[in-house]
Amino acid sequence: QQQVKQSPQSLIVQKGGIPIINCAYENTAFDYFPWYQQFPGKGPALLIAIRPDVSEKKEGRFTISFNKSAKQFSLHIMDSQPGDSATYFCAAPSYNQGGKLIFGQGTELSVKP
Amino acid sequence: ETGVTQSPTHLIKTRGQQVTLRCSSQSGHNTVSWYQQALGQGPQFIFQYYREEENGRGNFPPRFSGLQFPNYSSELNVNALELDDSALYLCASSSLAEETQYFGPGTRLLVL
Repeated sequence: QQQVKQSPQSLIVQKGGIPIINCAYENTAFDYFPWYQQFPGKGPALLIAIRPDVSEKKEGRFTISFNKSAKQFSLHIMDSQPGDSATYFCAAPSYNQGGKLIFGQGTELSVKP
Repeated sequence: ETGVTQSPTHLIKTRGQQVTLRCSSQSGHNTVSWYQQALGQGPQFIFQYYREEENGRGNFPPRFSGLQFPNYSSELNVNALELDDSALYLCASSSLAEETQYFGPGTRLLVL
């Protein structure tokens, strides 16, 4: 199974709220899970990444929680700001096709002032 | 250290034409991957180049082809353009030794 399933499709929160974006995968061979942030008309920018040997990783206001047994991982944005309004993608690399990244469907986040 | 750059930023073509998109990889990176991103969708892998050879390909027809040059820059060529080829084309560079891919700003292609 090569899919990465992401939810929700869109999310609206108030400034200071904690949006949570979830991803699930099937292939247990996946061993690296990056999150990308994309603003309209721009390319995706790496936000934070995690490996399955840790259950949580924090970088600034962004935290990834990882549940290896459930094959799920989530992005939490603490103290969200209007500038965080963007589309967020989870991804995983598939090494049987040259290390391509398989992306989730994306979550469009809007943080209201 | 310069990031990934792509040219042109925007392009308009008509159905049946051919197009070439260009990418310069980030300093120190020897691998380039190309992705197609339709509006409202996640990027879809087209192919990857390492040391001037194709190193993996996604589900795209042969009219999508590429090149990588000795300086690791790359081109994506699309022949016989179709309306559905309208998308944002993204280039990402990486070192084969690590998984992290760094994306350029993309080229927005519109096929009329």
